[in-house]
Amino acid sequence: NAGVTQTPKFQVLKTGQSMTLQCAQDMNHNSMYWYRQDPGMGLRLIYYSASEGTTDKGEVPNGYNVSRLNKREFSLRLESAAPSQTSVYFCASSVGGFRVSYNEQFFGPGTRLTVL
Amino acid sequence: AQSVTQPDIHITVSEGASLELRCNYSYGATPYLFWYVQSPGQGLQLLLKYFSGDTLVQGIKGFEAEFKRSQSSFNLRKPSVHWSDAAEYFCAVGEQYSTLTFGKGTMLLVSP
Repeated sequence: NAGVTQTPKFQVLKTGQSMTLQCAQDMNHNSMYWYRQDPGMGLRLIYYSASEGTTDKGEVPNGYNVSRLNKREFSLRLESAAPSQTSVYFCASSVGGFRVSYNEQFFGPGTRLTVL
Repeated sequence: AQSVTQPDIHITVSEGASLELRCNYSYGATPYLFWYVQSPGQGLQLLLKYFSGDTLVQGIKGFEAEFKRSQSSFNLRKPSVHWSDAAEYFCAVGEQYSTLTFGKGTMLLVSP
């Protein structure tokens, strides 16, 4: 099993460009998450999907959109990238019952995004 | 709202020495508490978790943590650190009907 996979691993964008970060999991998990990690800030939740067909905002949703394409895939879109969105983005998944936060989250390897 | 504080941004420990990483949380009821580890260039991996019961929990890689309700703490310990333990460590807190909140992390450096 690959676990949680993310593409691309690295990306450089110019201000105003758009892109989609892809995430897939093969663990049959119901819940999926997108975080960003910035130096000294820990992980901050951008969006999450408790189950297929649902998405909700996290702590820092501005400038992002998400799509839960199916049970396996959860994508994050930047419509008009800004330098403040330079960060490392992590996708994670958990078995389910998202609001029961005792479920272990499994993380992908991350996408390093630079916006110039 | 729940919050997590990791007071130490960096800690340096000699190989073979003991380790304690601090975590304090602010929360009204009994929280769900976690420690995750992130090796350079990698995603996060769960070390251990506490929900209820015995306040001393064992995790992977020889780590343990103790929940102290009176101090609102969940400190991570290891009796003897190995060079491969050098990584960033994150404490996280959750509750039954909320998302996880992560601390800002503690970077562990291991000196020879």
